[in-house]
Amino acid sequence: NAGVTQTPKFRVLKTGQSMTLLCAQDMNHEYMYWYRQDPGMGLRLIHYSVGEGTTAKGEVPDGYNVSRLKKQNFLLGLESAAPSQTSVYFCASSYERGLNSNQPQHFGDGTRLSIL
Amino acid sequence: QKEVEQDPGPLSVPEGAIVSLNCTYSNSAFQYFMWYRQYSRKGPELLMYTYSSGNKEDGRFTAQVDKSSKYISLFIRDSQPSDSATYLCAMKDPGGKLIFGQGTELSVKP
Repeated sequence: NAGVTQTPKFRVLKTGQSMTLLCAQDMNHEYMYWYRQDPGMGLRLIHYSVGEGTTAKGEVPDGYNVSRLKKQNFLLGLESAAPSQTSVYFCASSYERGLNSNQPQHFGDGTRLSIL
Repeated sequence: QKEVEQDPGPLSVPEGAIVSLNCTYSNSAFQYFMWYRQYSRKGPELLMYTYSSGNKEDGRFTAQVDKSSKYISLFIRDSQPSDSATYLCAMKDPGGKLIFGQGTELSVKP
């Protein structure tokens, strides 16, 4: 049971390049999330999905797009990378039933992205 | 002002010490208070969660919530070098999303 798997683990991009980060979960979770983690800022939610075919904006969505074509996969895209997007990106998933659910979020080990 | 404030540390203690990690929050509508532990170059993992005010104990770890003061704490008894990690508090907002503190980096020295 792999849990949440993120690829790639590390990437260096030049300003203006595009790329897609892939997240895959094998726990049959409904909800999936993309966060970025920066020093002194904690984890901030970029986008999330409450089910296959649905996506929603989080706290810091600008410059990112997402897609959830299959329940087990959640893709995060950077169309034109900027140095401000240098960060560690974490994907998470959870089994949610209702807004008051106490189900924990399970995280992957992150993608370290550097934009030059 | 951030909705959740957490002292970023770093915090360094000798092995066997009692560690206290704290967060304050501003939104009284927050519920489901959680503590995540994050080892270096790994993703966060859920350590403990609680819903109501009071204490919840799990082995050497105790989570404490004071909703009237909007304050939560995590206590670690008999701290071990393996406890060295970054600890993140998190709270679920009325919309169901998790709001994280900045994280406190803890180092337990042998």
